[in-house]
Amino acid sequence: EPEVTQTPSHQVTQMGQEVILRCVPISNHLYFYWYRQILGQKVEFLVSFYNNEISEKSEIFDDQFSVERPDGSNFTLKIRSTKLEDSAMYFCASTLQGKGLFFGSGTQLSVL
Amino acid sequence: RKEVEQDPGPFNVPEGATVAFNCTYSNSASQSFFWYRQDCRKEPKLLMSVYSSGNEDGRFTAQLNRASQYISLLIRDSKLSDSATYLCVVTAYGGATNKLIFGTGTLLAVQP
Repeated sequence: EPEVTQTPSHQVTQMGQEVILRCVPISNHLYFYWYRQILGQKVEFLVSFYNNEISEKSEIFDDQFSVERPDGSNFTLKIRSTKLEDSAMYFCASTLQGKGLFFGSGTQLSVL
Repeated sequence: RKEVEQDPGPFNVPEGATVAFNCTYSNSASQSFFWYRQDCRKEPKLLMSVYSSGNEDGRFTAQLNRASQYISLLIRDSKLSDSATYLCVVTAYGGATNKLIFGTGTLLAVQP
């Protein structure tokens, strides 16, 4: 069964450092997303991406965040200068229009 | 009012019991509705879509009441493996991006 793949599964970084989280969405999907979940809290929308551009972003997704689809398969989330409060599980998801989202297994980001 | 509201639980039930979860949503223009399941520190997994006519998948039955902006999930004959957090999820208005709004989830613990 096709699945969304995320790497790395865990990332530890120092405050102020840049991190790049990587995702390979399901191959025939058209819409791509990043969500995050702080421990003990709900899953929160960050950004959606369609047709090689951002289609929507949340208030969380400020200038420190960016997304790219550098080739036909990868979808990345970059945090330029990490803060302590960026520590969370980051989930990538993809879908065909009108269907439920399918999530990757997540990257646990710890900012020290 | 929260966009998607759920009773956080926990619901502690014996094996074989029937349990029901409820959810309300604030945006009357929401167009698609889902129940997701999330195991501890794992990604959300699509359990089932929810349709106005109601739908059933084995031991699981989902109902949608658009007039009351209310969604339910019924689990019959609970198994130990049903223990998880159940997430009520709706699409935001302007569903072209399929952006999902998550509830905080209801924790189910099925006891032997």
